[in-house]
Amino acid sequence: NAGVMQNPRHLVRRRGQEARLRCSPVKGHSHVYWYRQLPEEGLKFMVYLQKENIIDESGMPKERFSAEFPKEGPSILRIQQVVRGDSAAYFCASSPGKAPLHFGNGTRLTVT
Amino acid sequence: EDKVVQSPLSLVVHEGDTVTLNCSYEVTNFRSLLWYKQEKKAPTFLFMLTSSGIEKKSGRLSSILDKKELFSILNITATQTGDSAVYLCAPETSGSRLTFGEGTQLTVNP
Repeated sequence: NAGVMQNPRHLVRRRGQEARLRCSPVKGHSHVYWYRQLPEEGLKFMVYLQKENIIDESGMPKERFSAEFPKEGPSILRIQQVVRGDSAAYFCASSPGKAPLHFGNGTRLTVT
Repeated sequence: EDKVVQSPLSLVVHEGDTVTLNCSYEVTNFRSLLWYKQEKKAPTFLFMLTSSGIEKKSGRLSSILDKKELFSILNITATQTGDSAVYLCAPETSGSRLTFGEGTQLTVNP
């Protein structure tokens, strides 16, 4: 029974490029959450999605960041025109609609 | 703004010691409090607490919640080197949103 799958595990982008992070939730889970973890800091909520809907994006920067969870396929977190400050570990979590959330191993984004 | 404070931020002990990790919170629309263990990768779920005063146990780990005083503790007895990790506390609010503390970095030396 596969858990939350995130890819890629590591992603290196130059300033100004786009980063696309993918997350496949636990089978049967229709709720997806994205969190960001900066070095030496805790996990910060970014966005909460259900299939085809953004429920809460209050933690996501208004500029350059977007997220989707289509009817078919993984959830995607997209960061346009990346800057060095975007370097972090991005974790995806899923649930069937209630806690606990199950986390993936994260994507470590490095912006050079 | 929701706030979660964990203490201590870092703790170094020897195998066999008992440790107590603290978590205090101020959030709106509180539903439950969760504890996770993070060892460089995915945070793994430990406990979910919804009621005050009821201790949850799993092996050498136990946790309790005080909803009146807005805090929780996580106890680990007879620590082992495999317990070394960051322990994260996270109140759950509406929408199953979790607000994480900075975590307690526990190091257990042989």
